[in-house]
Amino acid sequence: EADIYQTPRYLVIGTGKKITLECSQTMGHDKMYWYQQDPGMELHLIHYSYGVNSTEKGDLSSESTVSRIRTEHFPLTLESARPSHTSQYLCASSEDRFFSYEQYFGPGTRLTVT
Amino acid sequence: GIQVEQSPPDLILQEGANSTLRCNFSDSVNNLQWFHQNPWGQLINLFYIPSGTKQNGRLSATTVATERYSLLYISSSQTTDSGVYFCAGNTGTASKLTFGTGTRLQVTL
Repeated sequence: EADIYQTPRYLVIGTGKKITLECSQTMGHDKMYWYQQDPGMELHLIHYSYGVNSTEKGDLSSESTVSRIRTEHFPLTLESARPSHTSQYLCASSEDRFFSYEQYFGPGTRLTVT
Repeated sequence: GIQVEQSPPDLILQEGANSTLRCNFSDSVNNLQWFHQNPWGQLINLFYIPSGTKQNGRLSATTVATERYSLLYISSSQTTDSGVYFCAGNTGTASKLTFGTGTRLQVTL
């Protein structure tokens, strides 16, 4: 099992604020992902990274940005939060094995923008 | 990308009952996972099962890759089994998972 951590777990913030959601993993996984999930709905991939200095946009368009300076760390930033950003954000990581990419998820961050 | 369909969308069981959840894929997948999302939103890995059958306690899963579906069996259900069950998969060399819309399970006393 991968150990993957997200902070904060819950965040309520006003419109226009800049926020950074933290994600870190201790398993040395090269691949990391950010998913967005509205309550009761399926997860949608918004960003992923295949290693240090590698970031790509996912299937769902997002105004957030990510960086990957260290293998274990994959933060997500919103420069100016809006109520439409209210959602749960889940970070995941997986090993880099050919055709075998079991993903492990962090506990998530519930973001509310007022 | 692939399409993932889960059925049934909602399920209510009495404690002790058995159930089968189904996941259909529009294309062949080489990575298939089942997750349980608890009421606090955490995704718990249940099975990594691109093919074959696996069992873990009261839960088991079977994937028939050639027919593009997977089944999750829950036996002797307990109230702690309540939550949303997701399947997800990917194709080719892409590691990005596509999720189904989930099955919402409620187990009552």
